[in-house]
Amino acid sequence: QVQLQQSGAELVRPGTSVKVSCKASGYAFTNYLIEWVKQRPGQGLEWIGVINPGSGGTNYNEKFKGKATLTADKSSSTAYMQLSSLTSDDSAVYFCARGGDFSYFDYWGQGTTLTVSS
Amino acid sequence: DILLTQSPAILSVSPGERVSFSCRASQSIGTSIHWYQQRTNGSPRLLIKYASESISGIPSRFSGSGSGTDFTLSINSVESEDIADYYCQQSNSWPALTFGAGTKLELK
Repeated sequence: QVQLQQSGAELVRPGTSVKVSCKASGYAFTNYLIEWVKQRPGQGLEWIGVINPGSGGTNYNEKFKGKATLTADKSSSTAYMQLSSLTSDDSAVYFCARGGDFSYFDYWGQGTTLTVSS
Repeated sequence: DILLTQSPAILSVSPGERVSFSCRASQSIGTSIHWYQQRTNGSPRLLIKYASESISGIPSRFSGSGSGTDFTLSINSVESEDIADYYCQQSNSWPALTFGAGTKLELK
C-alpha cells in the first residue's frame, strides 16, 4: 500500500534551517510527483511546491521561493524539503503528498510539526 | 492566481441530514477541482477528483458536481465521522495549485 512517512517534529531556533523528509513506499517513487503543503495552526492549506523525483525538476509557489528547497533521493525513495532563515511565521505543520495526474494529492504523509522559537 | 472561495465558513448539521459545500473559482476552470476532508489533527484525504469523479474507498454518500466557476460537494446523509474541515483545490493553473479556505462541518 502507498505510504508517505515523514520525519518527526522539530523545535528550532529563529534564523536557522531545517530539513524535513518524506519516505515513500508501496509504489514506483520516480513515477509520481511529490508535493509539499503548509498548514499554520487553525488555518487552511497552502501549496509550497512540487518535485519530480525522476528528473529532479521543481516548481515553487512564488511565496516560498528562497524559503523552501525541494530535493529527492531516488536511491532511498525519499523527498526532502529544506526551509531556511526560519521565523515564527514558519511554525506550522508541513505535509508531503503524492501528486496524482499532475492535478490532485492522492496520498498524504502524516505531517511534520515545525516550531520556531528561541 | 486563481482564487477559490468556499462558503459558508461553518456548517452545522444533524446526523442523517444532507449537506452541501460550495466552492467558487475566480475564473472558469472547467472541472479541475478536487475535494479533501481533514479531520482534527489528521492529514487531508482526497474525496472527489475532477469535480465529480469518485475515489476508491470513499463512501458513496460523498458526491461532487459543477463546472466552470461553481462547484459543490455533497454528503447524502451525514454521519458523525464526517465532522471535519473540507477543502476544495484547483489544478487548472498547474503547477500553481491553490486551495480554498475551507468549510468546517460541525454537529448541531
